[in-house]
This record gives sequence, C-alpha cells and structure tokens, in this order.
Amino acid sequence: ETGVTQSPTHLIKTRGQQVTLRCSSQSGHNTVSWYQQALGQGPQFIFQYYREEENGRGNFPPRFSGLQFPNYSSELNVNALELDDSALYLCASSPTPSSYEQYFGPGTRLTVT
Amino acid sequence: EDQVTQSPEALRLQEGESSSLNCSYTVSGLRGLFWYRQDPGKGPEFLFTLYSAGEEKEKERLKATLTKKESFLHITAPKPEDSATYLCAVQFNNAGNMLTFGGGTRLMVKP
Repeated sequence: ETGVTQSPTHLIKTRGQQVTLRCSSQSGHNTVSWYQQALGQGPQFIFQYYREEENGRGNFPPRFSGLQFPNYSSELNVNALELDDSALYLCASSPTPSSYEQYFGPGTRLTVT
Repeated sequence: EDQVTQSPEALRLQEGESSSLNCSYTVSGLRGLFWYRQDPGKGPEFLFTLYSAGEEKEKERLKATLTKKESFLHITAPKPEDSATYLCAVQFNNAGNMLTFGGGTRLMVKP
C-alpha cells in the first residue's frame, strides 16, 4: 500500500511569485485535505477536495486555490506569495470526507524571500 | 470558535521519567480526538483516535485517555527515541472531518 506522497520536498520562491505543490493520496483514498504549518505551530486547515470539488475551506484568502484530479491526486496553488506564506504545507488523505482518520504526507517546505 | 490548547509547550524528561501531556478543547460537540507524533521536518504520524469520554488507547509506552473536556497522553518510562512533537487534533461535529490542531508539545527525552 502506497502512502501519501508530496512534491517537491522543499522550494524557495520570491515574494509576489506563484507556486504549485502536488500531492498523491494513499491508495483507495478519494479525499484530500491541505494544511499549513508555520514553524513551531500546529497545522491549520486550508481546504479539502472530494470528487474534484472543494468540500470545505478554512480561513485562508482566495489566492490559495486547489485542484483534484480524477485519480484523486491534488494540487495546491498559491498566488502573490507573501513572506508569511513560508511554512510546511501538508497534504492528508482519507477514504471519504466523513472518515475519522487522516493520513499525512511528508510535507513541502516553502520558503518565501 | 472551536479551539484546541496543548500544554506544556515543551517538556524535558530524563530517560525513564514518566509524565503526561494535556490537550483541552472547547466543548461544542466532539466527533473525534486524535494524537499525532511529528518528527522535525516531517509530516504528522497517526497515533490514536478517541471518540468518547472514558475511552483509553495504548501503544507501547504511550497511553491516551479522554474526558469530556480534555485528553491526556501518558508516556511511561520514555526513551530518547520518543523525543518529538506530539500534536492533538479535534474533529468537531459541525466541521466534517476537518482537523483543528493544538500548538503541540515538544518532548525531549535525555539519556
């Protein structure tokens, strides 16, 4: 059974640029959630995707957007990067939106300079 | 607003010195409470799910308990390899399976 994978592992961007992060869900999981984790803090929910549609959103501005593909993989896009966007971005998958457990990938470390 | 608070923020133990980590949450309908372990620069690793007050789960040196307003993660005779950040997360009834996390407890176990 393949776990949740994310790419890239880390990247550095300049303020104002755009970035795309990718996530492949665990086999058999059709729901993907994205979280932002600033250094020294707990993860914060960004949004969830189910059946290729957004299925819930946290308190993040519209410049954070996402996609889910038919194979359940997902992308997180962030436009007009700000310094405060520097964080570990985590993807979590679950079998359904009502499943209790979520399984996390290793994360993508984004640094904005 | 639903909130999750963990204490202490950091904890230093000697190898073999047992202790407990606390996770408290606002009472607005608990769907489930989760404990994760996170090593530096890595994603959270699932440990336990608790659903109702009085429930207990155990795994090796870890034991998680749940009351109506808080959860404890008890660490018995810890080893240096138990050093990590322990995250508590809650699913509230009105929020699907979205996880609301606490700030975590950074545990360091010295040999």
